[in-house]
Amino acid sequence: QVHLVESGGGVVQPGRSLRLSCAASGFTFSRYAMHWVRQAPGKGLEWVAVINYDGSYKLYADSVKGRFVISRDDSRNTVDLQMDRPIADDTAVYYCARPKYDYGGNLWAFDIWGQGTRVTVSS
Amino acid sequence: DIQMTQSPSSVSASVGDRVTIICQASQDISNYLNWYQHKPGTAPKLLIHDASNLEEGVPSRFSGSGSGTDFTFIINSLQPEDFATYYCQQYDSLPPPTFGQGTKVEI
Repeated sequence: QVHLVESGGGVVQPGRSLRLSCAASGFTFSRYAMHWVRQAPGKGLEWVAVINYDGSYKLYADSVKGRFVISRDDSRNTVDLQMDRPIADDTAVYYCARPKYDYGGNLWAFDIWGQGTRVTVSS
Repeated sequence: DIQMTQSPSSVSASVGDRVTIICQASQDISNYLNWYQHKPGTAPKLLIHDASNLEEGVPSRFSGSGSGTDFTFIINSLQPEDFATYYCQQYDSLPPPTFGQGTKVEI
């Protein structure tokens, strides 16, 4: 059974740091790029970041560029999102998501999602 | 960034109804469009990829069509489990892949 489980959410003060983690199981993790997508309260889905299958390629939404860092550890089958200098607009449920295709295939159809972890940025 | 505009933003429907959702892109995205279903407190679910390809295991009452800037998502014979929010997502112009604002299908 393919699973993604996020952890690390909570309340964080503006300007501090928080690290989210996503644990994968049931598939060959090292073959897949991995994404983070978020949903702010009452809002729609917003893509946040992607890391390709070997970690050599990372992309970020403009709203988080320079503040968030995505990384992966294939020995632990995890993908992390380091959130530095968070702001109120970063308050959201954060999902990790796996693309439908591995390696260099289409990275942008997300067929496996976690249940999400909630982040609240508040003083 | 490419803007994706969904309409309507919400629709009231009954079991057995046909529901149609429109997604319009701010520029030509070919067929680089996916559709997702999202229920509160759960993981989003990919229903259709590349505009019209039904994901494995998704009931055939769901369908998608379109290319360029105009796309249509249809639920034939709405079932109780279909009450959810539906999102389109483009991936022609990257980054970022952008989602529509969502269409809530409710009773």
